[in-house]
Amino acid sequence: EPEVTQTPSHQVTQMGQEVILRCVPISNHLYFYWYRQILGQKVEFLVSFYNNEISEKSEIFDDQFSVERPDGSNFTLKIRSTKLEDSAMYFCASSVTGEWYGYTFGSGTRLTVV
Amino acid sequence: GQQLNQSPQSMFIQEGEDVSMNCTSSSIFNTWLWYKQDPGEGPVLLIALYKAGELTSNGRLTAQFGITRKDSFLNISASIPSDVGIYFCAGQGGSEKLVFGKGTKLTVNP
Repeated sequence: EPEVTQTPSHQVTQMGQEVILRCVPISNHLYFYWYRQILGQKVEFLVSFYNNEISEKSEIFDDQFSVERPDGSNFTLKIRSTKLEDSAMYFCASSVTGEWYGYTFGSGTRLTVV
Repeated sequence: GQQLNQSPQSMFIQEGEDVSMNCTSSSIFNTWLWYKQDPGEGPVLLIALYKAGELTSNGRLTAQFGITRKDSFLNISASIPSDVGIYFCAGQGGSEKLVFGKGTKLTVNP
């Protein structure tokens, strides 16, 4: 079964450092997303990306965050200057149409900011 | 913003028992989804509901989409140890994003 692949599975970074989280969406999917889950809390939407541009973003997704699809397969989330409160599990997801059908999540990257 | 209220927050049951959890919202959603999350993993879709009043089953799982499109329940019958995990409801309405509830943590005692 096709998977959304995320790397690394765990990243530890110092406060103020830049981090890039990487995702390889399912190959025929057109819509890409990032969500985050602070430990013990609900999954929260960050951003959606379609046709090489952001289609929707939440208030969490401020100027410290950016997304990019640098080639035909990767989808990245960059946090420019990490804060302690950025520590969370970050999930990439992709879908074919933007609808619920086929909306698939990766296994996540656990980001720890120290 | 849109919010989903999910209850209960946690459940401790014996193997073989039935389980019920629900979600309510003040907003209407076009689609309600139920996901399961195992530790260290991403959410995995269990059931999707997109017709108001719809009752859908997937093995031992049954879910219903409320007639007002503002609520849903998930039932698990004859629970087994591998049902352990966190169950999330999620809604999708008018955009691509999913709005998640806070989750129900299920513990099944053998």
